Amino acid sequence: AQSVSQHNHHVILSEAASLELGCNYSYGGTVNLFWYVQYPGQHLQLLLKYFSGDPLVKGIKGFEAEFIKSKFSFNLRKPSVQWSDTAEYFCAVSLMNRDDKIIFGKGTRLHILP
Amino acid sequence: NAGVTQTPKFQVLKTGQSMTLQCAQDMNHNSMYWYRQDPGMGLRLIYYSASEGTTDKGEVPNGYNVSRLNKREFSLRLESAAPSQTSVYFCASTPRGREVGETQYFGPGTRLLVL
Repeated sequence: AQSVSQHNHHVILSEAASLELGCNYSYGGTVNLFWYVQYPGQHLQLLLKYFSGDPLVKGIKGFEAEFIKSKFSFNLRKPSVQWSDTAEYFCAVSLMNRDDKIIFGKGTRLHILP
Repeated sequence: NAGVTQTPKFQVLKTGQSMTLQCAQDMNHNSMYWYRQDPGMGLRLIYYSASEGTTDKGEVPNGYNVSRLNKREFSLRLESAAPSQTSVYFCASTPRGREVGETQYFGPGTRLLVL
């Protein structure tokens, strides 16, 4: 069965540290890839997405992610985090040959120390 | 546009009680979804509706029913609530444009506590 794995369940960093959150998926076909963010007390919102073209995609608030097809990965990065980046981050995959379903990873809680 | 709206925001039920969670979107989206979010489990799909008049089971459909009332509204019903259904429920919609990717638009969530 298709799945999405996020390697880190809880990450704690200091401000200005660099961030990389891992995401791997298991599906051999064409995919669209997403990162969603949920700030404390808020609903999920799209951070960035990949569906074709340049495998390095840039999102809001200085985040970027790189799609590496050979590794089935879509890791999220930010060179210098801020306290306001404290949130839960979800990687998600939609399968192009299936119904409109998106498979979410279990999420990574990011806590930034001021 | 209000986007995706959900009612109620909070609800407390006793075991065995029934209730319906309401969801509506005003973006003319075709597809709608119900998820539950539990700590350490991420988002799990309960039911979805690819288009008006159709519904399909997701990953965790047991104990729930849904109705796609019209294109705008997609309700989730708990016939006999159980403590295991204590969760945060999110409704989402997508325009169903595969050629541009399927960004999901989420509602604010409903916090449900079953005693």
